Amino acid sequence: DVKVTQSSRYLVKRTGEKVFLECVQDMDHENMFWYRQDPGLGLRLIYFSYDVKMKEKGDIPEGYSVSREKKERFSLILESASTNQTSMYLCASSLSRQSNNSPLHFGNGTRLTVT
Amino acid sequence: AQSVTQLGSHVSVSEGALVLLRCNYSSSVPPYLFWYVQYPNQGLQLLLKYTTGATLVKGINGFEAEFKKSETSFHLTKPSAHMSDAAEYFCAVTGSWTNAGKSTFGDGTTLTVKP
Repeated sequence: DVKVTQSSRYLVKRTGEKVFLECVQDMDHENMFWYRQDPGLGLRLIYFSYDVKMKEKGDIPEGYSVSREKKERFSLILESASTNQTSMYLCASSLSRQSNNSPLHFGNGTRLTVT
Repeated sequence: AQSVTQLGSHVSVSEGALVLLRCNYSSSVPPYLFWYVQYPNQGLQLLLKYTTGATLVKGINGFEAEFKKSETSFHLTKPSAHMSDAAEYFCAVTGSWTNAGKSTFGDGTTLTVKP
């Protein structure tokens, strides 16, 4: 079974802090994604990556950046946290760019609170 | 372009009753369609998916969904609800010819099961 592990379940940070959210997958998946989940808004794609050192903007990239130095690890960075970034963050992976019919495998999420 | 509309943000049924969660999609290319379930404090997990072939798809936990191209729908059903089915459900679409396997999610439907 694919396992996607997010390093923290809960985080509390102060406005202006730089925040790192880490995600690791153990199934050699090429694709990795970061979503944020807010009540009534479903999941919105922040950034995604098809391969090491590759990244592409999703639908709501403002205020975020990502890093993918190793295939199994995809990090989301909040350069200067703001209260409107308080949310649930979900990391996901899928097989490859060519396999559009392969489902996403999700981590358990990181609930971030910015005060 | 692709989008998903889930009709009804909250659905309540009695234990043993039929579950029907509605999903309509829009896609400029033949779609791949997914239903995911999210239990409290967890990430999303795959319930079922439609790629090609048979339009009636069976998933885990007794759920099934039917792809109706003419109605651009992919509604999720279960003949008899169980208390353990209480969760949030997300419909998602991936354009089969577009890059990356990027999925677009609906806003989610919270299912409540009354005893």
